[in-house]
Amino acid sequence: DAGVIQSPRHEVTEMGQEVTLRCKPISGHNSLFWYRQTMMRGLELLIYFNNNVPIDDSGMPEDRFSAKMPNASFSTLKIQPSEPRDSAVYFCASRSSGGLTYNEQFFGPGTRLTVL
Amino acid sequence: AQSVTQLDSQVPVFEEAPVELRCNYSSSVSVYLFWYVQYPNQGLQLLLKYLSGSTLVESINGFEAEFNKSQTSFHLRKPSVHISDTAEYFCAVGRTYKYIFGTGTRLKVLA
Repeated sequence: DAGVIQSPRHEVTEMGQEVTLRCKPISGHNSLFWYRQTMMRGLELLIYFNNNVPIDDSGMPEDRFSAKMPNASFSTLKIQPSEPRDSAVYFCASRSSGGLTYNEQFFGPGTRLTVL
Repeated sequence: AQSVTQLDSQVPVFEEAPVELRCNYSSSVSVYLFWYVQYPNQGLQLLLKYLSGSTLVESINGFEAEFNKSQTSFHLRKPSVHISDTAEYFCAVGRTYKYIFGTGTRLKVLA
């Protein structure tokens, strides 16, 4: 398996622009997580999907952030409009519901977002 | 509520020396405990985990961690580090889907 795939790996944009981050979870995994990593706040859970349904979005910082999971193999995290304080590394992770690794989250390589 | 504390933000150590990275947690319920490693420009990778049973867990590359319930700790140790162990290490606690990650410890192995 190719692991969790994220695109783009790097994104530089200007304040006010819309940003869309993409994630393809590991095939067969039914849980998906979006995290944000910053020096100040560390790794924060933004939103958790189970079977494509958002279960917990309490970590989404504000209405500018939205996430969707239209099917089991694709998810997006959108920021509109973007602000400089959104600059961070955004990780997607997925997890299976059973088997030996059911409690292990597999992380993608991340998207480094810079908002100027 | 759960929390994780990694007391050391950076740990420099010479190659082939032993190392311990400290992790303390608090939780009102029983939790699973994890150590993740992050190499530069990469995502987090699971190093080892404690779910239940034996309190000493080991990874395939020589790391081990011991769950100490009375001290609420899950320290990571390696008897002899290699240059390739240079990375950031994160301790995490959780039970269901919500894992709380520590702020990370940057291990730098010196030649």
